[in-house]
Amino acid sequence: QSVLTQPPSVSAAPGQKVIISCSGSNSNIGSDFVSWYQQFPGAAPRLLIFDNSDRPSGIPDRFSGSKSGTSATLVITGLQTGDEADYYCATGDTRLNTAVFGGGTKLTVL
Amino acid sequence: QLQVRESGPGLVKPSQTLSLTCAVSGGSIRGGAYYWSWIRQHPVRGLEWIGYIFYNGRTDYNPSLKSRVFMSLDESENNLSLKMTSVTAADTGVYYCARSFDSSGYMAFGYWGLGTQVVVSS
Repeated sequence: QSVLTQPPSVSAAPGQKVIISCSGSNSNIGSDFVSWYQQFPGAAPRLLIFDNSDRPSGIPDRFSGSKSGTSATLVITGLQTGDEADYYCATGDTRLNTAVFGGGTKLTVL
Repeated sequence: QLQVRESGPGLVKPSQTLSLTCAVSGGSIRGGAYYWSWIRQHPVRGLEWIGYIFYNGRTDYNPSLKSRVFMSLDESENNLSLKMTSVTAADTGVYYCARSFDSSGYMAFGYWGLGTQVVVSS
């Protein structure tokens, strides 16, 4: 059971928008920045979003992040088949004194 | 372009010590105030942060692993290492080395290696 809760899977059609949620508590999301990662099968995770909503250079603006209270959201617009991957949220937990990850969400582009 | 590459034995026997190395190229491990983390991924338990070593050698470990983990930097070889003692089958997984995206904190893991598979089995 992960400290951060994500839906196991989401799906949408090409060109559509998808929202991936990440739910936590006051000791983690409520207290620290959230980052998001994309992982293709057999590959390492890739940083998509850091500090809740900032994108590293090279990450398309189709990917956006936000945080409100103890929840965070990753939004992907203009879905492409190449976006099919697993997505993870992460943050620090002040009670556990460690970084924590969500369980991951598998995105299917129908 | 910064690149990191993990390496290790692949197979470790229960109760033994796991030793992994992360080779860094395209930048110095002490070339900035960055955090170097080890993260592992288990097929069922998902991603787990093991700990980090700061460029100056300061470390912080996941409390659940703290008693078994040791991280170090080797400036001459431009690499970092992870040692985990008394391994069990629960330590099986893919182990990643990752550098922080910037110097503001360790949490944004910006540069990842390809990972190295570790299996703990007799």
